[in-house]
Amino acid sequence: EVQLVQSGPEVKKPGESLKISCKGSGYTFTNYWIVWVRQMPGKGLEWVGVIYPDDSDTRYSSSFQGHVTISVDKSITTAYLQWYSLKASDAAMYYCARTSGGAVAAPTPYWGQGTLVTVS
Amino acid sequence: DIVMTQSPDSLAVSLGERATINCKSSQSVLYRSNNKNYLAWYQQKPGQPPQMLISWASARESGVPDRFSGSGSGTDFTLTISSLQAEDVAVYYCQQYYSAPLYSFGQGTKLEIK
Repeated sequence: EVQLVQSGPEVKKPGESLKISCKGSGYTFTNYWIVWVRQMPGKGLEWVGVIYPDDSDTRYSSSFQGHVTISVDKSITTAYLQWYSLKASDAAMYYCARTSGGAVAAPTPYWGQGTLVTVS
Repeated sequence: DIVMTQSPDSLAVSLGERATINCKSSQSVLYRSNNKNYLAWYQQKPGQPPQMLISWASARESGVPDRFSGSGSGTDFTLTISSLQAEDVAVYYCQQYYSAPLYSFGQGTKLEIK
């Protein structure tokens, strides 16, 4: 069974750094893209960025480029979303998701449970 | 960037009645070489992650009730719930993956019971 298990909720202050995680299991981790999605309170879904674990090919939405870093540790089948200096506007639920196939142009049927980030 | 626009923003339908949600893309998401529309629909209930209902514009995911159907091609798409059930109350999103890795979502449509 494909599972994506995300790290727990975080409470941080503006200016602090943060790294949240998404652990994949039940499939060959290196063969599928991992997508990060933001959902601000009461708002819709926004694509943050995507990474291919096999070679760490990473792309970012222009809205997030330069403010977040996506990475992966293949040895522990885990993807990460990182901030070096949080802003209050980063407060949101963050989801990781996996593509259905090995191509990046694919839907995302598998989702993590979400990580709530509070910045205050 | 491809912009996805859903209509309406919210919708109230009586139990057992049909619900229709529209999604329009700013450019075609039909890939001519394989004749596939790179369009998915997701359902999100409060406190839960999104669940994919439909991919490739009309392919229902395993386990999704057959009252959910997707249609359309090119730039105009529709999600139809043929007979609304109480458990279908949720926010619905369309998503294009044609320009992946530059994905984009519609703004969401909130579906309620009338």
